Amino acid sequence: GDSVTQMEGPVTLSEEAFLTINCTYTATGYPSLFWYVQYPGEGLQLLLKATKADDKGSNKGFEATYRKETTSFHLEKGSVQVSDSAVYFCALEGTGNQFYFGTGTSLTVIP
Amino acid sequence: EAGVAQSPRYKIIEKRQSVAFWCNPISGHATLYWYQQILGQGPKLLIQFQNNGVVDDSQLPKDRFSAERLKGVDSTLKIQPAKLEDSAVYLCASSLNRNTIYFGEGSWLTVV
Repeated sequence: GDSVTQMEGPVTLSEEAFLTINCTYTATGYPSLFWYVQYPGEGLQLLLKATKADDKGSNKGFEATYRKETTSFHLEKGSVQVSDSAVYFCALEGTGNQFYFGTGTSLTVIP
Repeated sequence: EAGVAQSPRYKIIEKRQSVAFWCNPISGHATLYWYQQILGQGPKLLIQFQNNGVVDDSQLPKDRFSAERLKGVDSTLKIQPAKLEDSAVYLCASSLNRNTIYFGEGSWLTVV
């Protein structure tokens, strides 16, 4: 069945460091891919998405490129800030408009 | 545009008691989801509605969990009787069409 596997956390970085959170997926067909972010005590918020191969989603300095050949959708940011500390979830939309989420990667950015 | 509304935000109950969570999706969104998120894990789909019909409830523990979406708008998720392992955040989400779902802030349940 459809699923996503993302990098285990937690991840701790210094401010202005480069961030990569890996995500790979398994799916039939051509799913849409997403990154959601969850700040402490809040629900999930859409961070970015890509709907077809080679699409790049971007938002708030974060980017992820839909790589069909490697079935990946890695999240990157060139310079993280303390305010980026949160839990990041990779997700895909499979058949039947169903969404599957990874287990989440906790990011802590220290000044 | 108003987001997905959920209540209550927090609930503490004893095991074997019952609890109900309410969700009001974004106006016009036909698809409504209930997810369970256990601490440290990703959200797990419990049930998906399309208007007032159930699309997928394969992971809903039907011996204790029930959900309804009367009139295809608001939805209620009920747990009766609750178990300790039901302690989690219950997330409601809605979508208008394919490609994006929007989450509420969640209802945090602690079963003691």
